[in-house]
Amino acid sequence: GDSVTQMEGPVTLSEEAFLTINCTYTATGYPSLFWYVQYPGEGLQLLLKATKADDKGSNKGFEATYRKETTSFHLEKGSVQVSDSAVYFCALKTQGGSEKLVFGKGTKLTVNP
Amino acid sequence: GAVVSQHPSRVICKSGTSVKIECRSLDFQATTMFWYRQFPKQSLMLMATSNEGSKATYEQGVEKDKFLINHASLTLSTLTVTSAHPEDSSFYICSAGNRGVGTDTQYFGPGTRLTVL
Repeated sequence: GDSVTQMEGPVTLSEEAFLTINCTYTATGYPSLFWYVQYPGEGLQLLLKATKADDKGSNKGFEATYRKETTSFHLEKGSVQVSDSAVYFCALKTQGGSEKLVFGKGTKLTVNP
Repeated sequence: GAVVSQHPSRVICKSGTSVKIECRSLDFQATTMFWYRQFPKQSLMLMATSNEGSKATYEQGVEKDKFLINHASLTLSTLTVTSAHPEDSSFYICSAGNRGVGTDTQYFGPGTRLTVL
């Protein structure tokens, strides 16, 4: 079945450090790929998405590129801030009409000043 | 952006009782709502999908008689955990989607922490 694997956390960085959170997937066909963020005490929010190979999703300084050849969708940010501290979830949605999302386990990021 | 609320945010109940969790889309009509369960340090696991006015579709391994889902209107879905037991303690999250704005986007509620004593 479809699955998402993302790097185990927690990840702790200093402010202005470079961030990478790895995400790989297994799916039939050509899924849409997403990164969701969950800030403390809040619901998941869509951070960015990509719907086809080589697409780059970007938002709030975060980027991720849909790499079909490596089945990856790694999340990156060049300079993190304390306010980026949250749990990040990689997810996929397969084509074919179903709206079901398949999530990775989440990676907790803590950014220290 | 679209807002989804859940009520209550946390609930503690005795074993054997039933608990109802509400999920509301506050500023849009949700043609589809999803219920997830999240265990500590684990991913969100989809429990069921409900479309307004029709029966919910449950994922494999989810007991439909234990987790009753009602999606009676375009802004409200409820999850009732019947005869709750300690193993039902978990974090329950709903999300809502609307075909009119694209099926790629689900808007998530803040979750409900259920503790069964």
